[in-house]
Amino acid sequence: DIVMTQSPDSLAVSLGERATINCKSSQSVLYSSNNKNYLAWYQQKPGQPPKLFIYWASTRESGVPDRFSGSGSGADFTLTISSLQAEDVAVYYCQQYYSTPITFGQGTRLEIK
Amino acid sequence: QLQLQESGPGLVKPSETLSLTCAVSGGSITITTFYWGWIRQPPGKGLEWIGSIYYTGSTYYNPSLKSRVTISVDTSKSQFSLRLTSVTAADTAVYYCARLQAVAGLIDYWGQGNLVTVSS
Repeated sequence: DIVMTQSPDSLAVSLGERATINCKSSQSVLYSSNNKNYLAWYQQKPGQPPKLFIYWASTRESGVPDRFSGSGSGADFTLTISSLQAEDVAVYYCQQYYSTPITFGQGTRLEIK
Repeated sequence: QLQLQESGPGLVKPSETLSLTCAVSGGSITITTFYWGWIRQPPGKGLEWIGSIYYTGSTYYNPSLKSRVTISVDTSKSQFSLRLTSVTAADTAVYYCARLQAVAGLIDYWGQGNLVTVSS
């Protein structure tokens, strides 16, 4: 199984400031034949199911604000929120879909400082 | 708009079988570009993929649960189901049904979740 490790486990950022969440996979999730990273990010708010935010490591899902961006390749990835808004408070999960079993990071809880 | 709705008991006794069904509406369950799956989340914890099924009945299971899991599909009723046998307290979780893209395991639609508690 590919193990996904996120850091930090929790993060407090002031409104309007940048938030950065890291995700590391135990092996590369870059598929060489199409040069795509099989890495997604989900946002989960209390009492709700997760919501797909970013896929292929850097492609925003329709409707996701452009203050959210994903970067990285191979085994190291980052989710960045350029200017934190109150509605961004949530738990964020990375997920690899390079191979089964599909696996998720443990989650990063993002709060307002 | 695609909707997924889980149904099933919220309480299951230890050693018994957990059974949940997911009704798919607002879209076809037989679209070739998607799988249908189950993901669970213990209270206050992270996400675990249980398994997925194609409309033809082809299944993929998480090896950690494979010996206890069966996922089936009923295209005539536009629904798919989960059976998990010999449950213990460790199986207490919110169980989500979801749609996964067939090309990749992206989960683009989720049900609202069904909390199942294993307790006597």
